Amino acid sequence: DAGVIQSPRHEVTEMGQEVTLRCKPISGHNSLFWYRQTMMRGLELLIYFNNNVPIDDSGMPEDRFSAKMPNASFSTLKIQPSEPRDSAVYFCASSLGQASTGELFFGEGSRLTVL
Amino acid sequence: GENVEQHPSTLSVQEGDSAVIKCTYSDSASNYFPWYKQELGKRPQLIIDIRSNVGEKKDQRIAVTLNKTAKHFSLHITETQPEDSAVYFCAATFNTNAGKSTFGDGTTLTVKP
Repeated sequence: DAGVIQSPRHEVTEMGQEVTLRCKPISGHNSLFWYRQTMMRGLELLIYFNNNVPIDDSGMPEDRFSAKMPNASFSTLKIQPSEPRDSAVYFCASSLGQASTGELFFGEGSRLTVL
Repeated sequence: GENVEQHPSTLSVQEGDSAVIKCTYSDSASNYFPWYKQELGKRPQLIIDIRSNVGEKKDQRIAVTLNKTAKHFSLHITETQPEDSAVYFCAATFNTNAGKSTFGDGTTLTVKP
């Protein structure tokens, strides 16, 4: 398996623009997680899905952030409108879900810079 | 919710020395404790984990210990090498939450040759 695939790897945008980050989890994994990593706040869980259903979105910073998982092989994280403080590395991770050990498999991350 | 505290935030050792990183957690229901290593510019990757029914686990130069009563667990790296230099994250997981992990803030380990 190719692992968790994220795109784009790097995104530079201007404040106010819409940003869409994409993730393809490992085939067969039932849980998908979106994390944000910054120097100040470390690794923060934004939202996670189990069997394509959002389970916990309490980490989503505000209404500007939204996430979807229309099917088992694709998820998006959208920021609209983007702000400079959204600059971070966004990681998508997947796991086997409730039947698993709990190990997370991370993608390479999407580095977002909002000017 | 779960709260994980990790210490120290930075650690510098000489090559060949041992390194110890400690974490505490708050939710006694957590039952799976992974450790992830993140090299500069790379993704976090699992290096070792332990379940709540085990007190210690070892894999070559890496070991993890768990004290459920005190709610703390530690990572031990022996005979450190420069390639061990990275950021290490501990996490606490409650399995029935489909593997939702709460991470510590990370420890930057530097191994000096």
